[in-house]
Amino acid sequence: QKEVEQDPGPLSVPEGAIVSLNCTYSNSAFQYFMWYRQYSRKGPELLMYTYSSGNKEDGRFTAQVDKSSKYISLFIRDSQPSDSATYLCAMRPGRRALTFGSGTRLQVQP
Amino acid sequence: EADIYQTPRYLVIGTGKKITLECSQTMGHDKMYWYQQDPGMELHLIHYSYGVNSTEKGDLSSESTVSRIRTEHFPLTLESARPSHTSQYLCASSEYTELTSYNEQFFGPGTRLTVL
Repeated sequence: QKEVEQDPGPLSVPEGAIVSLNCTYSNSAFQYFMWYRQYSRKGPELLMYTYSSGNKEDGRFTAQVDKSSKYISLFIRDSQPSDSATYLCAMRPGRRALTFGSGTRLQVQP
Repeated sequence: EADIYQTPRYLVIGTGKKITLECSQTMGHDKMYWYQQDPGMELHLIHYSYGVNSTEKGDLSSESTVSRIRTEHFPLTLESARPSHTSQYLCASSEYTELTSYNEQFFGPGTRLTVL
């Protein structure tokens, strides 16, 4: 079983929709949770970073962490065609390197 | 945009050739990483370095080797390329901040390697 599970999609939504992306994990030692966005033929770029449980909002993006359920989410409000990309969740316990999910491919249709 | 560079961006090479993938960063980061990513799959850490003359193997076993002679440079070498090495290779760097344990990783654009 993978440490981090993420639905690969593709997820196709109309422009303006609210998008919900999720990851589940099995390692209870994970404390730091991140979401990366990766456009085709580019390296991942950090979108959101949260420590432990709770919510964090940044513009149209909201990250949620529920450590009791080992479940993290990324919400995108008012989705735009430019949001079309692969979204990778990543997490780590303390100072160790990141463990990535396989990514969810999102298509926002104009 | 992150100041981390990878060359070449694309490489098609025959079996048995020796190749070196270059990675450089101008941010002065101590930590650097190499990941391997197949289409639709997660990134797998294959090597990392916490500073000059420090290199460690990652979670995914790899026949490649790395060196870290200078802070800004972290090349990856395959002595004898095989078709099974065909993949995308991503380099990243980060700076560890003791107070917050925050270490955002900045990624390069990747090298797409095809071994025939």
